[in-house]
Amino acid sequence: GAVVSQHPSRVICKSGTSVKIECRSLDFQATTMFWYRQFPKQSLMLMATSNEGSKATYEQGVEKDKFLINHASLTLSTLTVTSAHPEDSSFYICSASGGDYEQYFGPGTRLTVT
Amino acid sequence: SQKIEQNSEALNIQEGKTATLTCNYTNYSPAYLQWYRQDPGRGPVFLLLIRENEKEKRKERLKVTFDTTLKQSLFHITASQPADSATYLCALDIEGGYNKLIFGAGTRLAVHP
Repeated sequence: GAVVSQHPSRVICKSGTSVKIECRSLDFQATTMFWYRQFPKQSLMLMATSNEGSKATYEQGVEKDKFLINHASLTLSTLTVTSAHPEDSSFYICSASGGDYEQYFGPGTRLTVT
Repeated sequence: SQKIEQNSEALNIQEGKTATLTCNYTNYSPAYLQWYRQDPGRGPVFLLLIRENEKEKRKERLKVTFDTTLKQSLFHITASQPADSATYLCALDIEGGYNKLIFGAGTRLAVHP
């Protein structure tokens, strides 16, 4: 099956710094990638949708200047959390779609901001 | 606004029994509905997709039903095993087939030996 990787799996950073999370589709070309955030015991919340070579579409309430998304190629998307604060601590998950209805999820990145 | 409800309480069943999980939604008519499995600290794994014109879908020990009149999907695991213990999420497409999904909070299933 299709494999999506995320890096890093865990990151701890100080308040005010920026953190970049990578999402890669390893064995297929992802026309669309999605970024989600999940708080404990809650559902995945879609943050943004990105298509290769174009600007990401952000969901209502998600600050585009804080969560920078770059989808530079058909196999790589990055999410940068800028000027991170403790309330940004969460589990960030990406998914990739090759054009059909299935989304293939990465293993997630646990971000802790101290 | 669209709303998806899954039983928030954990479902505990004995090994070998059939587990049935419920997903109810309001204020939308999705083109399809998906079920995912999520283990602690991991990303979701796709299990099954059922389209609005399908009543039932099966895959090995899994069965999904989709009642667009009741706005409900049921997810069944037959002959359940302890390895089936996980959180199961349902997700609806909310943009008419453009693969933008909204997820329920999930139901945690625990299968006891």
